[in-house]
Amino acid sequence: DSGVTQTPKHLITATGQRVTLRCSPRSGDLSVYWYQQSLDQGLQFLIQYYNGEERAKGNILERFSAQQFPDLHSELNLSSLELGDSALYFCASSDRGPGNTIYFGEGSWLTVV
Amino acid sequence: QQQVKQSPQSLIVQKGGIPIINCAYENTAFDYFPWYQQFPGKGPALLIAIRPDVSEKKEGRFTISFNKSAKQFSLHIMDSQPGDSATYFCAARDNYGQNFVFGPGTRLSVLP
Repeated sequence: DSGVTQTPKHLITATGQRVTLRCSPRSGDLSVYWYQQSLDQGLQFLIQYYNGEERAKGNILERFSAQQFPDLHSELNLSSLELGDSALYFCASSDRGPGNTIYFGEGSWLTVV
Repeated sequence: QQQVKQSPQSLIVQKGGIPIINCAYENTAFDYFPWYQQFPGKGPALLIAIRPDVSEKKEGRFTISFNKSAKQFSLHIMDSQPGDSATYFCAARDNYGQNFVFGPGTRLSVLP
């Protein structure tokens, strides 16, 4: 158990709909990262937050947005969903120490039908 | 410059063999290099990591070799077992942005 909690674990929704994925980082971690992993694909970096502020942005679509709240949990909002958005979405967290690394949650499986 | 290249894309070895996965990078701002192991349907789990001031690190059957001048690093799995069958990702941390860049992954199959 990495200590990173993601909900929901599985989600099935229709095209055009909007969903919100939630992430609770490890206790004490200030950074949250979101990654997308399509079937048999690598980890595509979407966005990073540090202590509530956006730190880095990757290949995140305009239909997607995220935020990190004062209690450090984060939400990834996916709207106008398309079939191609079906993927495993991972949240990861890290502290900012010199030996830091990132720890992944178990992911949220999104299926768009 | 933010890329991490990884090879091979897939690898099949017999039980007891020593699979080797190689990664290369360009960005000299990378200062920390972890490896992750991912089983199907699960999140990537930290396996082992190394800093560029160390040339080799061993943890159990897993060894990282690091060549700073060549900007390359590799993962060796000694006495591989069928339970090691998974996808392995190398990664590099950008010291400025504290961001992590991942290689595309290597799917390893260890045959019994």
